[in-house]
Amino acid sequence: DIQMTQSPSSLSASVGDRVTITCRASQGIRNELGWFQHKAGRAPKRLIYAASSLQSGVPSRFSGSGSGTDFTLTISSLQPEDFATYYCLQHDSYPLTFGQGTRLEIK
Amino acid sequence: DVQLLESGGGLAQPGGSLRLSCAASGFTFSSYAMTWVRQAPGKGLEWVSSISGSGGSTYYADSVKGRFTISRDNSKDTLYLQMNSLRGEDTALYYCTRTVVPDHWGQGTLVTVSS
Repeated sequence: DIQMTQSPSSLSASVGDRVTITCRASQGIRNELGWFQHKAGRAPKRLIYAASSLQSGVPSRFSGSGSGTDFTLTISSLQPEDFATYYCLQHDSYPLTFGQGTRLEIK
Repeated sequence: DVQLLESGGGLAQPGGSLRLSCAASGFTFSSYAMTWVRQAPGKGLEWVSSISGSGGSTYYADSVKGRFTISRDNSKDTLYLQMNSLRGEDTALYYCTRTVVPDHWGQGTLVTVSS
């Protein structure tokens, strides 16, 4: 099974900051990776698919990069509504696996 | 608009069974793979199971393999998850989602396994 190691597990940042979250796969997964935002009490939301493709309707301050084993999600300028938990998901092979999550909190 | 509406959650005893349903609308259901994802209290997201658009291919997490069965009825635009031999660790909010890299999610149905 492919393990996804996501870091950091939590992060404190301020509005306007640039933030980067990383996911590392235990073996190569090409670009078969998505990023999700999850706010408490709401359904998760897909932000990025195919490692770097922005989901329709998602603000352009979100971007994804990487291929193979190392991936990043970047938020270029944090907005108040971005404080949430973020997850990566590999779908290169079954069983699919999520990262452990990154809780992004207001500093 | 794409809508996914889960039902069937509730309280079950350890060793018991539940069947979750997900009624889909707003898209051609049979054209899409579907996936169940769950979140246990205080934990992260966990992929549970996926099924191809035709229903001919199914996939399961090791934690549920042999106990859960995913299926679909394309004539009714409905996805199912039959959960048998339930354990306390199956307690979670279960989300019905569209595709393997979920682009649409339901609001979830809560399953509680407790005596």
